[in-house]
Amino acid sequence: LAKTTQPISMDSYEGQEVNITCSHNNIATNDYITWYQQFPSQGPRFIIQGYKTKVTNEVASLFIPADRKSSTLSLPRVSLSDTAVYYCLVGATSLSGNTPLVFGKGTRLSVIA
Amino acid sequence: GAVVSQHPSWVICKSGTSVKIECRSLDFQATTMFWYRQFPKQSLMLMATSNEGSKATYEQGVEKDKFLINHASLTLSTLTVTSAHPEDSSFYICSAMSGVVTDTQYFGPGTRLTVL
Repeated sequence: LAKTTQPISMDSYEGQEVNITCSHNNIATNDYITWYQQFPSQGPRFIIQGYKTKVTNEVASLFIPADRKSSTLSLPRVSLSDTAVYYCLVGATSLSGNTPLVFGKGTRLSVIA
Repeated sequence: GAVVSQHPSWVICKSGTSVKIECRSLDFQATTMFWYRQFPKQSLMLMATSNEGSKATYEQGVEKDKFLINHASLTLSTLTVTSAHPEDSSFYICSAMSGVVTDTQYFGPGTRLTVL
């Protein structure tokens, strides 16, 4: 299972764009990259998933370079409610077996008014 | 879509008793469910992988006789903490995936277990 490395914490002011980068040097060909958000005493919430290039949804964008050894989660115009821990995970999809996601330490984002 | 529920959301029990936690996929069929445990200020730790109709696969260091997992249907998995002790107090979270094409794990809201 690919190991991920993220910054332990980040601070941002409200309204700013936040980019959180994750390194996954040992990512396998079948691995997808998935980001989750977790608030205290809640289960992780799916944010976005991608395999390569760029993926965008209503809450975030995910940038993945060609070598796929890293990825960047971009949160546009954060608000206080975005204060949470963000996890980057890599793992295989059901196409190659239901591999569980292994959580790293995550990035604790603090949004300041 | 892709909603996973857990019951109960919190439970307090006496040392030595057993506690059952349910995990349900509400709007999809989950061929595989996972159970995680999370201690305060720490990340999620995978405990076991549960496949419908077969025995669960436990991670190293997780006692299978203490943490009984049953995945009897495509929408329900249960985790039973047997003879619970205070050190078992933790936040237990399940996740489910449908096993269809490009897959995503969806997580339940978690169950807070406190053993007195």
